[in-house]
Amino acid sequence: GNSVTQMEGPVTLSEEAFLTINCTYTATGYPSLFWYVQYPGEGLQLLLKATKADDKGSNKGFEATYRKETTSFHLEKGSVQVSDSAVYFCALSPSPQGAQKLVFGQGTRLTINP
Amino acid sequence: DTAVSQTPKYLVTQMGNDKSIKCEQNLGHDTMYWYKQDSKKFLKIMFSYNNKELIINETVPNRFSPKSPDKAHLNLHINSLELGDSAVYFCASSQASRGYGYTFGSGTRLTVV
Repeated sequence: GNSVTQMEGPVTLSEEAFLTINCTYTATGYPSLFWYVQYPGEGLQLLLKATKADDKGSNKGFEATYRKETTSFHLEKGSVQVSDSAVYFCALSPSPQGAQKLVFGQGTRLTINP
Repeated sequence: DTAVSQTPKYLVTQMGNDKSIKCEQNLGHDTMYWYKQDSKKFLKIMFSYNNKELIINETVPNRFSPKSPDKAHLNLHINSLELGDSAVYFCASSQASRGYGYTFGSGTRLTVV
C-alpha cells in the first residue's frame, strides 16, 4: 500500500539554523508528493509540491526534491525564522490527477527559538 | 473570501448527542473530503465526494454519515457521539483533473464530554 514516514519530532532549532525534515514514501506507480504546513489553530496549507522524479518544489525559502531512487522528499530551508514554527506534513497522492486520497505522514512539530 | 469554510469552529457536546458539521467551498472544485486529525496530529481520510458522488469511504463507524447536496457543500453528521470521536475534523477540496493537492478548511474541534 501507500505510506509516508517522516522523521520523529519535535524538532527545536535556533533562528537562522539550517533545517532538514526527512520524508520517505512507499507507493506503487508515480505518485505526486507534497509538503503541507499547519500553524497553531489553523488548517493545513500547501507549502510545496513535486509531481515527477527530480522535480524540485520550492516556496518561502523551503525546498524539497523528488528522489525516486531513494523514495524520499526531504524538506530543507537554509535559514529558519521564528515564524516557521509549525507542524509540517509530508504527503503523497497515488497519481498526479484524479480524486485520490492524500496519504499523510505523522507530522513533525518544528519550534524555532529566537 | 474564505476558500473552504467550516462551521462551527468549536463544538462541545455530551456523549450520545447527534451533531453536524458543515463545509462549503467557493473554489469551483469538484471533489471534497473529510479528514480526522487525532490528538497526536495524525490525519486520516474519512470520506470523499466527487460531483456529489461518494467515491472514498474509509473504515468509519456507521454513526458518521456524509451528505453532499451539491458539489460546493459537504456536511458531516455524527450520531450517538462517543468520547473517542473527540478530534479536529478538516474539510478539504480539490479539482481532480489538476492534481494540485488540496485546499483545507480551518477545522472543527469537536470535544465530547
